[in-house]
This record gives sequence, structure tokens and C-alpha cells, in this order.
Amino acid sequence: GENVEQHPSTLSVQEGDSAVIKCTYSDSASNYFPWYKQELGKRPQLIIDIRSNVGEKKDQRIAVTLNKTAKHFSLHITETQPEDSAVYFCAAADSNYQLIWGAGTKLIIKP
Amino acid sequence: DAGVIQSPRHEVTEMGQEVTLRCKPISGHNSLFWYRQTMMRGLELLIYFNNNVPIDDSGMPEDRFSAKMPNASFSTLKIQPSEPRDSAVYFCASSLRTRGYTFGSGTRLTVV
Repeated sequence: GENVEQHPSTLSVQEGDSAVIKCTYSDSASNYFPWYKQELGKRPQLIIDIRSNVGEKKDQRIAVTLNKTAKHFSLHITETQPEDSAVYFCAAADSNYQLIWGAGTKLIIKP
Repeated sequence: DAGVIQSPRHEVTEMGQEVTLRCKPISGHNSLFWYRQTMMRGLELLIYFNNNVPIDDSGMPEDRFSAKMPNASFSTLKIQPSEPRDSAVYFCASSLRTRGYTFGSGTRLTVV
């Protein structure tokens, strides 16, 4: 079955700098890759997603890239702000459209 | 749309008591998921339903846990008897097939 690995587990960046979180997946049949943000004490919320027929997708300061050949995808956050501090989860949808989750990355934005 | 609605938001119970968590998915969504989240184990899938039918319950930790979905608009997760190690945040999520999940606000369960 599908397996998703996420790195790093913790990422600390200076406010205004960029942050990159990377995930790899094992099932080449996976075709949907969402990213979720979970603030402390809140629910995970979908922030951006990408399908396998697209290599990159942007939404303001957030972008996701997908490399199907290498089976990895990344979340890029530019001009980081204090409100970007949260835990970020990547996921990949397997052939049953069930999401397989990464372990999460705690992003810390230093003022 | 009110989103995925879970109740109660917080539950404190004594060890050995029965606990029932409730979830109302988004209308029209055909998949429903129950997750447990702890600091130690992260986000764990317990069980999921497609069109009200349980598809995969391999994540249910033991026979003390059971889940039902009697109709498209309601699901329950029951723990009987509860134990302190069941203390966690329990999330319900729903989705349309091939789409991302929408999570409820969660139920914070404390078993003392």
C-alpha cells in the first residue's frame, strides 16, 4: 500500500524567509496530493492541493510542486509570517481515494 | 454549509464508563472518517465509511471501540469501557470521493 514520508519534522525560519516542506510517496498510482495546516488546538484545514496531471500550483504565498517521476511533492511558503506557525501535513490519495498521511512538520516562524 | 459537526466538544469521563462521540458530515459527502490524534502517535485513522458502509476498520485499536453510520447524515464512535489511554482528540472528517477531507472541530476526550 501507499506510504508517505515527510521531512523535516520541525522547521524554524526567520519571519520573511521562505519555508519548504518535502514529502515522498511510494504508490505510483496515487494521483491527488493535498496539504493541511493545523494550528494549535484547531482542526486540520486544507490549504492547497495538486493532482497528478499538474506539476505546480500556486495560491498567493503558497505553492506546491509535484515530481511524479521521483514521487515527491513539496510545499513552499514565501514571505513567512507569524500566522504561518502551525503543523503542516502532506497526504497522498491511494487507489481507493483514501488519504495516506505524512507525520507532520512543525513550522516555527521566528520574529 | 455548517461544515462537519461534532459533539461534544469536550468530554471528561471516569475510567470504565461508556463514551459516545457524534458526527454529522457535510450534506452530499459520501465518505466519513474517524481519526484519533495524540502527541505521541499523531493522526491515526480509526475507521472509514463509504456510502454508510464500513470499509476499513483496521485502525480501531481494540474491541472496546465501535463505530456506526446508520444514515448518510450521522455517525457515532463508541468506547466501552473507556480507559485513561483513550484520552485524545477525536476528529471526524467527510469528503466526496477524489476530494480533500473536511474535518470537524474535534472532541477532546479525557478519561480519568
